[in-house]
Amino acid sequence: DGGITQSPKYLFRKEGQNVTLSCEQNLNHDAMYWYRQDPGQGLRLIYYSQIVNDFQKGDIAEGYSVSREKKESFPLTVTSAQKNPTAFYLCASSISRGGNSYEQYFGPGTRLTVT
Amino acid sequence: LAKTTQPISMDSYEGQEVNITCSHNNIATNDYITWYQQFPSQGPRFIIQGYKTKVTNEVASLFIPADRKSSTLSLPRVSLSDTAVYYCLVGDPFSGGYNKLIFGAGTRLAVHP
Repeated sequence: DGGITQSPKYLFRKEGQNVTLSCEQNLNHDAMYWYRQDPGQGLRLIYYSQIVNDFQKGDIAEGYSVSREKKESFPLTVTSAQKNPTAFYLCASSISRGGNSYEQYFGPGTRLTVT
Repeated sequence: LAKTTQPISMDSYEGQEVNITCSHNNIATNDYITWYQQFPSQGPRFIIQGYKTKVTNEVASLFIPADRKSSTLSLPRVSLSDTAVYYCLVGDPFSGGYNKLIFGAGTRLAVHP
């Protein structure tokens, strides 16, 4: 049963705390991504990684950090520097360069609430 | 990546055909058109992708006119379960940055009984 898993589904934190969101995939995809979605809005790219040990900032990387030590895993840390961390966070993966599809596979998401 | 424009919302009834049009006036020669579907509190799901003319799969059809400045996603005989947000994206899947998807606000489709 291949796919992307994100945990936990709901996460609550106090302001000023760092929090790490998990993302694991067993699709053997090279590329992985993190998006943020605010209510009624589209998705915005935070970070992406095309290969292990390499990652690039997306459009809204400030206040976030990632690591890509394994092909299967791409955890996202929301730091205390992120001014508005409450949001729905989505992880995705895709076949990397050379594919002829624009298809990304998304996980179920983690809803983070910071108070 | 080319900018896209879609209606903010649409309403339909069960059993009807729904057509959602997306404008992409500055689409580049190598760009493909892709549509995603998103249900509340879930990740988006790939529906269909095309380059020109017509593409059909088990879920939808995608119509792309010769000038490729717009495209239409067609959902045949919708049901209540088709109520979702539909995103139109345009980009080059063969370029170095092709996996950097840009999602706009999408079109909120509400299907009524």
